[in-house]
Amino acid sequence: KQEVTQIPAALSVPEGENLVLNCSFTDSAIYNLQWFRQDPGKGLTSLLLIQSSQREQTSGRLNASLDKSSGRSTLYIAASQPGDSATYLCAATGGSYIPTFGRGTSLIVHP
Amino acid sequence: EADIYQTPRYLVIGTGKKITLECSQTMGHDKMYWYQQDPGMELHLIHYSYGVNSTEKGDLSSESTVSRIRTEHFPLTLESARPSHTSQYLCASSHYYQGQETQYFGPGTRLLVL
Repeated sequence: KQEVTQIPAALSVPEGENLVLNCSFTDSAIYNLQWFRQDPGKGLTSLLLIQSSQREQTSGRLNASLDKSSGRSTLYIAASQPGDSATYLCAATGGSYIPTFGRGTSLIVHP
Repeated sequence: EADIYQTPRYLVIGTGKKITLECSQTMGHDKMYWYQQDPGMELHLIHYSYGVNSTEKGDLSSESTVSRIRTEHFPLTLESARPSHTSQYLCASSHYYQGQETQYFGPGTRLLVL
């Protein structure tokens, strides 16, 4: 059964820092890896999706990478802003086509 | 922009009551999902559907039921609410487009069972 782990569980940084969020998964036979953002009390918003054949995806200040062989993905946030404060979750989708989610990294960016 | 709606947004109810959480999407997506999420924890899959008249059980399905009579509608029913059901319930839909399948989530229903 797929297990997804996210490290760190919580992160607090000053505005302007570049930061890396980590996601690891136990079964490397994935279909895709998706990163989401969740604001308090809200649903999830998709940020980036990396297909199994891809190594990375970029959107604005966000860059997500995927290394299937090692079972890892990273989300890089450049020049962090207070508006980036949220919980970031990753989800790995395997042959069942049903995503397995991690517990998320709670990020606070303070001015 | 995905349009997926959940009602009610908040619900306080007594133990033993039967409740139905509503979820609707206007994108014509075939696949829909229900998740349960506690604070700081991962999403647990309750039920999912591949399309009309298709429903499948997830990890936490034993105390709830779903139906998929129309593509746009995927309600979740708790037959007898218990305090352990207190949680946030998230509905999602997904579609396959240009080699990618992306999930879109509703705003969630926060349930408190007294």
